[in-house]
Amino acid sequence: KQEVTQIPAALSVPEGENLVLNCSFTDSAIYNLQWFRQDPGKGLTSLLLIQSSQREQTSGRLNASLDKSSGRSTLYIAASQPGDSATYLCAVSLGFNKFYFGSGTKLNVKP
Amino acid sequence: NAGVTQTPKFRVLKTGQSMTLLCAQDMNHEYMYWYRQDPGMGLRLIHYSVGEGTTAKGEVPDGYNVSRLKKQNFLLGLESAAPSQTSVYFCAGGESYNSPLHFGNGTRLTVT
Repeated sequence: KQEVTQIPAALSVPEGENLVLNCSFTDSAIYNLQWFRQDPGKGLTSLLLIQSSQREQTSGRLNASLDKSSGRSTLYIAASQPGDSATYLCAVSLGFNKFYFGSGTKLNVKP
Repeated sequence: NAGVTQTPKFRVLKTGQSMTLLCAQDMNHEYMYWYRQDPGMGLRLIHYSVGEGTTAKGEVPDGYNVSRLKKQNFLLGLESAAPSQTSVYFCAGGESYNSPLHFGNGTRLTVT
């Protein structure tokens, strides 16, 4: 079974810092990997989706990379802001009914 | 654009009661999913649908039923609620298995 791990579970940084969130997975036969943001009491919002043939995707201050061979993905957040505080989850897809989610990294950006 | 809308937002049931959670989408999603999210367990797939009139079991289907009579709506039913079904339930949809998943804001269910 696919295992998805996110380390660290929680992270606290001062505003303006660049940071990296990590996601690792055990089965490299994935279709894609998604990064989500979840605010308290809300659903998940898709931030970036990387297809298995791609190495990275960018959206604004966010950059996600994918290394299938090593089973790793990183989410880079540049110039962090208090509004970035949320839980960030990654999920890998092995098919239309096989999405495996990590437990998330809870990010706190201090003003 | 409403996206994926879940109703109700909160519900309290007594053991043995039944209820239906509604998920409505206006994004032309073929694929729709029901997940539950529990502390320490992450998101687990309950049931899913790959199109109107189709449903299939996910990872934790016991105690739940689903229907997708119309493409826009995906219903999750609990026939006889149990305390173990206390959770936050999320509906999600996608155009294909290789497109972004769009989630509703969840239903917080407590079974006493």
